[in-house]
Amino acid sequence: DTAVSQTPKYLVTQMGNDKSIKCEQNLGHDTMYWYKQDSKKFLKIMFSYNNKELIINETVPNRFSPKSPDKAHLNLHINSLELGDSAVYFCASSQRQGQETQYFGPGTRLLVL
Amino acid sequence: SQQGEEDPQALSIQEGENATMNCSYKTSINNLQWYRQNSGRGLVHLILIRSNEREKHSGRLRVTLDTSKKSSSLLITASRAADTASYFCATVGTGGGNKLTFGTGTQLKVEL
Repeated sequence: DTAVSQTPKYLVTQMGNDKSIKCEQNLGHDTMYWYKQDSKKFLKIMFSYNNKELIINETVPNRFSPKSPDKAHLNLHINSLELGDSAVYFCASSQRQGQETQYFGPGTRLLVL
Repeated sequence: SQQGEEDPQALSIQEGENATMNCSYKTSINNLQWYRQNSGRGLVHLILIRSNEREKHSGRLRVTLDTSKKSSSLLITASRAADTASYFCATVGTGGGNKLTFGTGTQLKVEL
């Protein structure tokens, strides 16, 4: 009964393909996030949604499109994958927008060949 | 943009010793948090210290915050092999929202 889960755990794909990563939280939280961790382990926020509404979009290329069908899910769709998209993508959630502690998923390791 | 620098980048100690990691940041903050990341896993929240606090304890963890120097330290006392992980500081700015801006991380290795 994982609190924040992501699928798939590993994703290997060719340049130019379109792929999606799914995230679900069963904590009843209102706010969800996507982070990218590069090969040097640097973590940077990409998006944040609060009750299905986009509240943070950190100058991410528009090839990345988050979708929140309900407040328990925040999926990340990536079009026209590039080599530089290879990274670990983490989903996280917090109880509400102003609630500071974030709970992270296990990560999705994306490798673009 | 990157908020924090952590020092040292890597730290190797013997079990039972204390480990100290430092974090510096650039802008005004609402709070500062420390997270642990085991190899190949997600991040786990350890402790949060607010901008009006100077020191906080949680079990073997002690965190200090000096807002005048824009710096924080994490002390792990009586370290164990299971403490081997990467440790990240992250700040929430005063501009609203709940965006975590992470530091560069310290890789801690605790040897038996």
